[in-house]
Amino acid sequence: QLQLQESGPGLVKPSETLSLTCTVSGGSISSSSYYWGWIRQPPGKGLEWIGSIYYSGSTYYNPSLKSRVTISVDTSKNQFSLKLSSVTAADTAVYYCAQVLSGYDRYYYYYMDVWGKGTTVTVSS
Amino acid sequence: QSVLTQPPSASGTPGQRVTISCSGSSSNIGSNYVYWYQQLPGTAPKLLIYRNNQRPSGVPDRFSGSKSGTSASLAISGLRSEDEADYYCAAWDDSLSASVFGTGTKVTVL
Repeated sequence: QLQLQESGPGLVKPSETLSLTCTVSGGSISSSSYYWGWIRQPPGKGLEWIGSIYYSGSTYYNPSLKSRVTISVDTSKNQFSLKLSSVTAADTAVYYCAQVLSGYDRYYYYYMDVWGKGTTVTVSS
Repeated sequence: QSVLTQPPSASGTPGQRVTISCSGSSSNIGSNYVYWYQQLPGTAPKLLIYRNNQRPSGVPDRFSGSKSGTSASLAISGLRSEDEADYYCAAWDDSLSASVFGTGTKVTVL
């Protein structure tokens, strides 16, 4: 059974870079069927898609975060990572990683079918 | 700011049917599939409906999804106490080349 686990610092200082890693177990990150994504949820608010990456390195990013976001993949470790630069208090959130199914049939499909449990990141000095 | 609009809340008594709407545009719901996620308190979201009206294995058939034009709906029939959660719609947006979520609806079982 596929499992995803987020890891990284729970506290980041303003203006610094937030770095998180998602470790995939029970499946291969190099599977041709999947993208691997990040989603966040500020306290008491809704979900915000951050972006996703294919094992080959192809990425999609949220246009509102694109200038500060980098998602990378390490197939040898079965992990993918998120870096968010120049963080502010507004970046305080629970960060989730997820397996993403993407492709075409009648329409384009893109959805998160397996989620990690999430990790809380607070931006504060 | 969310691209897809949902009512902030919905409620019903046990056994009732509750419907949640999700309004979008031609670049998202109007041209792509709609998905629904359920987030129980304190937990990660879980895929509830995919490709407009398909249920993943293990999701009760009390949950059903539909889409018409640039809007979609999630219906919960035979409402149960364990259905109390936040529900989010989502779709791919062709104009943004991004996945977009709805504003979320909190379902309360009275």
